[in-house]
Amino acid sequence: ETGVTQTPRHLVMGMTNKKSLKCEQHLGHNAMYWYKQSAKKPLELMFVYSLEERVENNSVPSRFSPECPNSSHLFLHLHTLQPEDSALYLCASSQARTGGGTDTQYFGPGTRLTVL
Amino acid sequence: EDQVTQSPEALRLQEGESSSLNCSYTVSGLRGLFWYRQDPGKGPEFLFTLYSAGEEKEKERLKATLTKKESFLHITAPKPEDSATYLCGAAGGGNKLTFGTGTQLKVEL
Repeated sequence: ETGVTQTPRHLVMGMTNKKSLKCEQHLGHNAMYWYKQSAKKPLELMFVYSLEERVENNSVPSRFSPECPNSSHLFLHLHTLQPEDSALYLCASSQARTGGGTDTQYFGPGTRLTVL
Repeated sequence: EDQVTQSPEALRLQEGESSSLNCSYTVSGLRGLFWYRQDPGKGPEFLFTLYSAGEEKEKERLKATLTKKESFLHITAPKPEDSATYLCGAAGGGNKLTFGTGTQLKVEL
């Protein structure tokens, strides 16, 4: 496997279900991100982990719970979701630069989530 | 608040018809301007990073340029396989990427 992988690629769940999205990066990076992408809207940053520590949480509802057990793996645990949570969920990773500038983020293929 | 605006929202070109996509940004202390290509049902694919005004980068039929207020993605002699949504993201002083809504490009034979 190369780059950033995500599983599952498609997920349909009811509002009372509990499920998890998985992301794995094979790039040796030290930061990982979760984004939400809805139609006609910009990518929305949800969570950032740097060196396995959560450094950003953009006012995301508590029904989304991230977990980063090590620098290569990132999970998004889902419970009691709403239909408006249906979207493409993207994982990305990056390597912190030295000497200024922002590191380039590399994205996975995404998980298409549908909440019924 | 950081803002990124992309135009046009959608663009239809004939094969070989060159054009440019615009990305206007308002961020405090730009730390990077990023271009991505996204095909339907897939994740964004990295194209270019620009760090300072006047910088240019090229890859095949694509060329990205940067000024203090905007970036352009020039597409020279496009082919149908260049059809995709092109996303622009700007990183400000907080090191956080703010994305635009993208330009949906369709290149026809």
